[in-house]
Amino acid sequence: SQQGEEDPQALSIQEGENATMNCSYKTSINNLQWYRQNSGRGLVHLILIRSNEREKHSGRLRVTLDTSKKSSSLLITASRAADTASYFCATDATGTYKYIFGTGTRLKVLA
Amino acid sequence: EADIYQTPRYLVIGTGKKITLECSQTMGHDKMYWYQQDPGMELHLIHYSYGVNSTEKGDLSSESTVSRIRTEHFPLTLESARPSHTSQYLCASSELGLDRVHGYTFGSGTRLTVV
Repeated sequence: SQQGEEDPQALSIQEGENATMNCSYKTSINNLQWYRQNSGRGLVHLILIRSNEREKHSGRLRVTLDTSKKSSSLLITASRAADTASYFCATDATGTYKYIFGTGTRLKVLA
Repeated sequence: EADIYQTPRYLVIGTGKKITLECSQTMGHDKMYWYQQDPGMELHLIHYSYGVNSTEKGDLSSESTVSRIRTEHFPLTLESARPSHTSQYLCASSELGLDRVHGYTFGSGTRLTVV
């Protein structure tokens, strides 16, 4: 079964608003990563948060991790039309060396 | 720009044909991966390699095979393509021990259609 699942599946917001996406996973992890995928392209690594970290920032991105709830959230502040993409979380379960990707959230930012 | 290249970008072929999807990276990464992405977006790991002459099957059963004769090259082969193989195939690589810092680098993908 899939390690990570994002919600919502799709999100549509106005430019300038904040976008929040959530990821839930099932087993203990070493770290969690977020990726962006533009339509028809490969994935681009955005940010990594370790299992002993609770929050991390990178530019307009803010990631939180709650290992007790096995969940993470990605916040994009002051969204832009160029942020329109699909966003995936990826986790490596403790004791494994591969990342499993979630189902993705399709974000559409309207100009 | 990512230093990992996939060719072809798009491929439409007939049922029963043998095809090879190419993936090459110039970063010297030890680890390479193939993911299959279905129309619902979910990515499934189908093959991975930790180095030359190392290949493993992923979590999703696949009729494809891979080889890793050179560090930079990780081709995926389908001996007899079927319509059920229609999908997007993504290749990725990472540096051994540093994928937990820098994550994976992905190619742009090959969109395969079998008719």
